[in-house]
Amino acid sequence: KQEVTQIPAALSVPEGENLVLNCSFTDSAIYNLQWFRQDPGKGLTSLLLIQSSQREQTSGRLNASLDKSSGRSTLYIAASQPGDSATYLCAVSRFTNSGYSTLTFGKGTMLLVSP
Amino acid sequence: GAVVSQHPSRVICKSGTSVKIECRSLDFQATTMFWYRQFPKKSLMLMATSNEGSKATYEQGVEKDKFLINHASLTLSTLTVTSAHPEDSSFYICSASLWTPQRHEQFFGPGTRLTVL
Repeated sequence: KQEVTQIPAALSVPEGENLVLNCSFTDSAIYNLQWFRQDPGKGLTSLLLIQSSQREQTSGRLNASLDKSSGRSTLYIAASQPGDSATYLCAVSRFTNSGYSTLTFGKGTMLLVSP
Repeated sequence: GAVVSQHPSRVICKSGTSVKIECRSLDFQATTMFWYRQFPKKSLMLMATSNEGSKATYEQGVEKDKFLINHASLTLSTLTVTSAHPEDSSFYICSASLWTPQRHEQFFGPGTRLTVL
């Protein structure tokens, strides 16, 4: 059974710092890996999706890397801003015998960026 | 593009009543939709996979008679929590599956907060 772990569970940094969020998964047979952002009481916003054949994806100040063989991904946030404060979720997908893919989520990293 | 809506966003009901939550893909067709449940400070847990025109596939431990899923069209799936009790209070999120030649991705709705008194 796939297990996804995110470290740290919570992180508090001053504005402007660069930071790294970590995600590890136990089964490397994944289809893709996604990083999401969730604001309190809200749904999920997809940030980056990395296919299993890719090593990294970049969007603005965000960069996500994937090392499938070691079961690890990192989300790098450059020049953090108070608006980045949210919970960041990592999820890996796999295909089921029925032909569709399902996502397994980590518990998230709660990020607080102070002005 | 790839927008998913949920209705209602918040519902409060008395114990014993049934509550229906709708999930719609607004600008694409989704043969497969997913229903998740999230408890406070916990991860999203997949409850069931909803396939258009067929029965839903439930994850282990999820009561199919408690959580009724209907996926009658390519843009609408509904989750009905039957005879809701306080322990059913949770945040329910749906997602819709979108396939392109390049990749397969799930797009998530904004969630529904259910409070059962």
